Amino acid sequence: EDKVVQSPLSLVVHEGDTVTLNCSYEVTNFRSLLWYKQEKKAPTFLFMLTSSGIEKKSGRLSSILDKKELFSILNITATQTGDSAVYLCAVALLYNQGGKLIFGQGTELSVKP
Amino acid sequence: DGGITQSPKYLFRKEGQNVTLSCEQNLNHDAMYWYRQDPGQGLRLIYYSQIVNDFQKGDIAEGYSVSREKKESFPLTVTSAQKNPTAFYLCASKWGSGANVLTFGAGSRLTVL
Repeated sequence: EDKVVQSPLSLVVHEGDTVTLNCSYEVTNFRSLLWYKQEKKAPTFLFMLTSSGIEKKSGRLSSILDKKELFSILNITATQTGDSAVYLCAVALLYNQGGKLIFGQGTELSVKP
Repeated sequence: DGGITQSPKYLFRKEGQNVTLSCEQNLNHDAMYWYRQDPGQGLRLIYYSQIVNDFQKGDIAEGYSVSREKKESFPLTVTSAQKNPTAFYLCASKWGSGANVLTFGAGSRLTVL
């Protein structure tokens, strides 16, 4: 059974801290791994990773994929209260499986002032 | 602006009643998806459709039904057979099953009284 597991499930930090969110996966027919940020409503896209070892970066957020060990991390440096959200990790399967995304449970991040 | 519109945002129903959640997109996307989100469980796939007049069951299709009569529309009916329907429902779409990045609607929260 295809599975995506995120850790920790919840995290409370103070502004300025650096956090690392983890995502491991066990799937057949891996295509890519995606990170989303969800603030109350619609998840918004952050990163898509397809190759190992290549860091994706956007401002204070960065992510990297390890296809040998089957995991990805999402780093947030100098956290701000606006980073408070649920962060979702998902794995995309090959097109012949309907292009489905398999989601992890999410990590709820709370950043205190 | 292109996007996905879900309605209603909040819905209350009594046990034994069917309810239909609307999902409309103007992104010209071929593939559409319905996910259910419960606390601590991430997103689980209910149904998906890759083309008009065709759809497939996801991982938790029991008690749900869908139709795809138009490219823009993918309504979800929660039937009385769904044992635990109270949840947050997210509709999403993408260009085709070969694409990776899903665009999400703002969601519909269903509460069964």
